[in-house]
Amino acid sequence: EAGVAQSPRYKIIEKRQSVAFWCNPISGHATLYWYQQILGQGPKLLIQFQNNGVVDDSQLPKDRFSAERLKGVDSTLKIQPAKLEDSAVYLCASSLTRDQPQHFGDGTRLSIL
Amino acid sequence: KQEVTQIPAALSVPEGENLVLNCSFTDSAIYNLQWFRQDPGKGLTSLLLIQSSQREQTSGRLNASLDKSSGRSTLYIAASQPGDSATYLCAVRTNSGYALNFGKGTSLLVTP
Repeated sequence: EAGVAQSPRYKIIEKRQSVAFWCNPISGHATLYWYQQILGQGPKLLIQFQNNGVVDDSQLPKDRFSAERLKGVDSTLKIQPAKLEDSAVYLCASSLTRDQPQHFGDGTRLSIL
Repeated sequence: KQEVTQIPAALSVPEGENLVLNCSFTDSAIYNLQWFRQDPGKGLTSLLLIQSSQREQTSGRLNASLDKSSGRSTLYIAASQPGDSATYLCAVRTNSGYALNFGKGTSLLVTP
């Protein structure tokens, strides 16, 4: 089966600019997750969707980050405006249900200048 | 809040050695624990998942154990190979939610 697809792989922007990431989960996976992984750290959950509804966004900086999952399939994560501390790898994961193992994409590496 | 700690942060071993990676967590009310592998510039690959009712899981040369009462898990890698070089991450899911709480990982280098 095809894995979780993410784009772009790399993005370089200046602070205060906006950026968007895209994720296509494994077909049929109802649950989708966005994680932020800062260099040298483990991933931190930003937001979790069940179909197209938000289950957990308690660690999402809502003043600058937003996410949506259209029709319960693809998802986009947006940052506006970006700060230097947002430099990280943004990982998307999906699972068949909330109780099943999560499958990760290769991530988008974001650098803020 | 669940805190997950992995020791050591980095490890270098010669090929063929057996090795143990350690993971500890502060809240024993866990739903499951997962070990992942992360290669440079790549996402995470799930290696083993242990449910809270289980004591261990095995896959090939990998064996993971879980001791909930002491808040510990170990990942045992037998007969290590250079291809095992990667960062290994431990992640815990608690009973109160679906998010995975990750440790910072152990960076493993297996030298030929």
